[in-house]
Amino acid sequence: NAGVTQTPKFQVLKTGQSMTLQCAQDMNHNSMYWYRQDPGMGLRLIYYSASEGTTDKGEVPNGYNVSRLNKREFSLRLESAAPSQTSVYFCASSGDRRNIQYFGAGTRLSVL
Amino acid sequence: AQRVTQPEKLLSVFKGAPVELKCNYSYSGSPELFWYVQYSRQRLQLLLRHISRESIKGFTADLNKGETSFHLKKPFAQEEDSAMYYCALGGTGGSQGNLIFGKGTKLSVKP
Repeated sequence: NAGVTQTPKFQVLKTGQSMTLQCAQDMNHNSMYWYRQDPGMGLRLIYYSASEGTTDKGEVPNGYNVSRLNKREFSLRLESAAPSQTSVYFCASSGDRRNIQYFGAGTRLSVL
Repeated sequence: AQRVTQPEKLLSVFKGAPVELKCNYSYSGSPELFWYVQYSRQRLQLLLRHISRESIKGFTADLNKGETSFHLKKPFAQEEDSAMYYCALGGTGGSQGNLIFGKGTKLSVKP
């Protein structure tokens, strides 16, 4: 029962570097999400994909891009990392009951 | 605007004491409310939702539309309840199915 798998678990970047966070789910869910979690800020939605082939901005999309590669995979890309993007990133997916979301274990990203 | 407010960042209680984690929301329509929980070193997971009106791990939450609240309660806290709790508002606006999370309350249950 893998559920939602995120890679990598940890990453340290220098300002200006780029990287892609990977997310895959094996529950045949239509919807997938990327959140960031910051102390005192809760979870904030970066981007979401309601179905394969569609993506939409969430609350804090600036500095990020996403790709819904297929039904299983939803990646998050930082083109030019900034210290303000230091955070814990969570991927989630949901099926027909879209408000019941299943989360990955998270990626802890530090940008120096 | 839709908003979820959890007024307490940290709530500390002793084992066996009652616990209430507060959640207030702002939404003009018919809300769908949830509590998600994140135990140490575990994934964020759904604890309960108001539609099901169920008790999970001894926790209950009642939706009070008059007070726009969805407080989480447990009569006797256990040490294993220590976790981060997030209240979430769902199904709002044009982004159907997107959850709006509160900032979270860290519950610490002391022995």
